[in-house]
Amino acid sequence: QVQLVESGGGLVKPGGSLRLSCAASGFTFSDYYMSWIRQAPGKGLEWVSYISSRGSTIDYADSLKGRFTISRDNAKNSLSLQMHSLRADDTAVYYCARTIADLGGDAFDIWGQGTMVTVSS
Amino acid sequence: SYELTQPPSVSVSPGQTARITCSGDALPKKYGYWYQQKSGQAPVLVIYEDSKRPSGIPERFSGSSSGTKATLTISGAQVEDEADYYCYSTDSSGNHRVFGGGTKLTVL
Repeated sequence: QVQLVESGGGLVKPGGSLRLSCAASGFTFSDYYMSWIRQAPGKGLEWVSYISSRGSTIDYADSLKGRFTISRDNAKNSLSLQMHSLRADDTAVYYCARTIADLGGDAFDIWGQGTMVTVSS
Repeated sequence: SYELTQPPSVSVSPGQTARITCSGDALPKKYGYWYQQKSGQAPVLVIYEDSKRPSGIPERFSGSSSGTKATLTISGAQVEDEADYYCYSTDSSGNHRVFGGGTKLTVL
């Protein structure tokens, strides 16, 4: 079945780095855009980043540019998010999501279960 | 920065119609999307491109958009529809992707 499984979350100190991964299965990964979306404890959803099917188009939320890097390996059906200079307000559940992208907008039609990132000393 | 505005909460009795609105200046030009998130679970897409329903989503869920407002309607809301609902869209340039603040739907 169509599935996304995130991993790599954990406890990290402020200023530290962490790399999240998302393993895709059950669909042709290389046909789809992919996105990262996060949710701080008790808060709403926040779009983080997306990457096009071949990796040629990438975008980030303005507040994250320069600290986070999205990438993908279509041969391994894998999506990644490298996070640097982490701050307490980066504490959140991070979801990867399959993305149907067109000029009118983006639909996140399949979501993983999320991985928790906690930034604390 | 672009914002989508939702009411914090909506409450209905079972069987009533629930309407959740989402306001944004670019909605006349950009599609609205709706996500349902039940407690402790990942979000689920319930409406895309303003009014289309993914397979597996019950027919009681519908969407519409007029002017700067998108609306999610749940006709004959059921207890299992209790959840947080988030709208999503982009600004007119497509450069800023945002979720609304979310609406907690209570059905009791």
